[in-house]
Amino acid sequence: QVQLQESGPGLVKPSETLSLTCTFSGGSISTSYWSWIRQPPGKGLEWVGYIYYRGSANYNPSLKSRVTISIDTSKNQFFLKLTSVTAADTAVFYCASVTSNYFQYWGQGMLVTVSS
Amino acid sequence: DIQMTQSPSSVSASVGDSVTITCRASQDISTWLAWYQQKPGKAPKLLIYAASSLQSGVPPRFGGSGSGTDFTLTISSLQPEDFATYYCQQAHTFPLTFGPGTKVDIK
Repeated sequence: QVQLQESGPGLVKPSETLSLTCTFSGGSISTSYWSWIRQPPGKGLEWVGYIYYRGSANYNPSLKSRVTISIDTSKNQFFLKLTSVTAADTAVFYCASVTSNYFQYWGQGMLVTVSS
Repeated sequence: DIQMTQSPSSVSASVGDSVTITCRASQDISTWLAWYQQKPGKAPKLLIYAASSLQSGVPPRFGGSGSGTDFTLTISSLQPEDFATYYCQQAHTFPLTFGPGTKVDIK
């Protein structure tokens, strides 16, 4: 059974770096693309970026200067780093598998709050 | 960026009703469109991809159509578990973008 699970700090201070991990189970991460999507409380969905298992990544230009997605195929994990966060970055962050640019399987989501 | 719009923003319906949601892209995306269902506190769930292909395990009362810039999601014979927010997403051009959502609630 395919499962994705986000983990990381739920509270980050302004100007610091948000770091999340997505752990994939039920298969091998070395087969596809993997993405992060975020959703501010009460708002819509925003694609953050994705990474291919070989390591190439594609980011949303709105975040490109602050975001890095990486992958560790040996651990079936991929990662999100978002630097210089502000309150506007407060959101539920989802990790998801990507097939033909569609988001097929999703994690349950993790709320990250930016606050001092 | 390709802008996605949805109408209506919300709709009230009864169990057994048929509901149609419209999604419009700001430029031609062929059939590179998906629909997702999201319930409160849950992750979105892929319902339809490639505008009209039903994701495995999704009931056939969900149907998608359209191409180019105009697309529709139809839910025939609405069931209690279908009350949720529905998002469209274009998969044609980066950055991948979503519509603002349509909330289907109980009349």
